[in-house]
Amino acid sequence: KQEVTQIPAALSVPEGENLVLNCSFTDSAIYNLQWFRQDPGKGLTSLLLIQSSQREQTSGRLNASLDKSSGRSTLYIAASQPGDSATYLCAVRNSGGYQKVTFGTGTKLQVIP
Amino acid sequence: DVKVTQSSRYLVKRTGEKVFLECVQDMDHENMFWYRQDPGLGLRLIYFSYDVKMKEKGDIPEGYSVSREKKERFSLILESASTNQTSMYLCASRRGDPPGNTIYFGEGSWLTVV
Repeated sequence: KQEVTQIPAALSVPEGENLVLNCSFTDSAIYNLQWFRQDPGKGLTSLLLIQSSQREQTSGRLNASLDKSSGRSTLYIAASQPGDSATYLCAVRNSGGYQKVTFGTGTKLQVIP
Repeated sequence: DVKVTQSSRYLVKRTGEKVFLECVQDMDHENMFWYRQDPGLGLRLIYFSYDVKMKEKGDIPEGYSVSREKKERFSLILESASTNQTSMYLCASRRGDPPGNTIYFGEGSWLTVV
């Protein structure tokens, strides 16, 4: 059974700092990994999707990497801003079956002005 | 842009009531999902539909059923609501093929059962 872990559960950084969020998964037989952002009381917004054959994806100040063999992904946020404050979740789509998606419990990020 | 619309944002229902949560997507996606999200437990899959009239149980289907009569609409049904079903419910959709597609979420429905 796939298990997805995100550490730390919460993170507080000063504005302008570069930061890394971590995601680890136990089963490397995946199709893709997706990073989401969730604002309080809202749904999830997709940030980046990395296919299993890819090593990284970039969008603006965000860069996500994937190391399937070690079961790890990182989300790098450059020059953090207060508007980046949210909960960040990673989700792994398994290969096989109906390709279930397993979510981590998220990292709550606070960027302090 | 893909839009996944959940018809009710906030609902308060009584124990034993039958509850319908509706979800509509506008991008002709084959796959649709219902999750619930609870503090400390993350997102848990209730049901998944990979096409019209097709469904698969997720991790926590007990106490729930689903209906998918049209491709764009996926309904979650609580046959007899209980207080432990108080939660945030999230609907999502995804194109079926190729497998590398993004999942899109609705804004969520907050259900309180009293």
